[in-house]
Amino acid sequence: GNSVTQMEGPVTLSEEAFLTINCTYTATGYPSLFWYVQYPGEGLQLLLKATKADDKGSNKGFEATYRKETTSFHLEKGSVQVSDSAVYFCALSAPEDSSASKIIFGSGTRLSIRP
Amino acid sequence: DAGVTQSPTHLIKTRGQHVTLRCSPISGHKSVSWYQQVLGQGPQFIFQYYEKEERGRGNFPDRFSARQFPNYSSELNVNALLLGDSALYLCASSLVVGGLEQYFGPGTRLTVT
Repeated sequence: GNSVTQMEGPVTLSEEAFLTINCTYTATGYPSLFWYVQYPGEGLQLLLKATKADDKGSNKGFEATYRKETTSFHLEKGSVQVSDSAVYFCALSAPEDSSASKIIFGSGTRLSIRP
Repeated sequence: DAGVTQSPTHLIKTRGQHVTLRCSPISGHKSVSWYQQVLGQGPQFIFQYYEKEERGRGNFPDRFSARQFPNYSSELNVNALLLGDSALYLCASSLVVGGLEQYFGPGTRLTVT
């Protein structure tokens, strides 16, 4: 079945450090890929998305490229800020589920940024 | 514009009881989905409703049920609560059933004792 695997946390970085959170997926067909962010005490927010191979999603300085050959969608940011501290979820929506907008989530990576 | 709203924010129930959670989608959105997020894990899909009809169901027991009303709001019902039902229950709305843009509410934190 369809699944998402992302690197386990917690990840602790200093402010202005480079961030990479790895994500790989298993899916039949051509899924759409997402990164969601969950700030403390809040619901999920869509951070970025990519709907086809080689697409790059970007938002708030974060980027991720849909790599079909490696089935990956790694999240990157060049210089993190304390305000980026949150839990990040990699997710996919598989085409055979287009009758329903079911999103399959990874287990989440907790990111903590030190001032 | 108001986002997705859920009520109540927190809830404490005893094993064997029944609970009803409520969700109001973004104005104009016709599809509502429910997810369960157990502490330390990613959300798991429970149901999706569109135009008052169930369009998808995750791997959850029949104790879980839902419905959607003519104004597109939704209720999630859980019967015979178990300790393992303790979780954050998230509602998400989208314009259409196949829409990729899903907007999540803040969730209802259910604790079963």
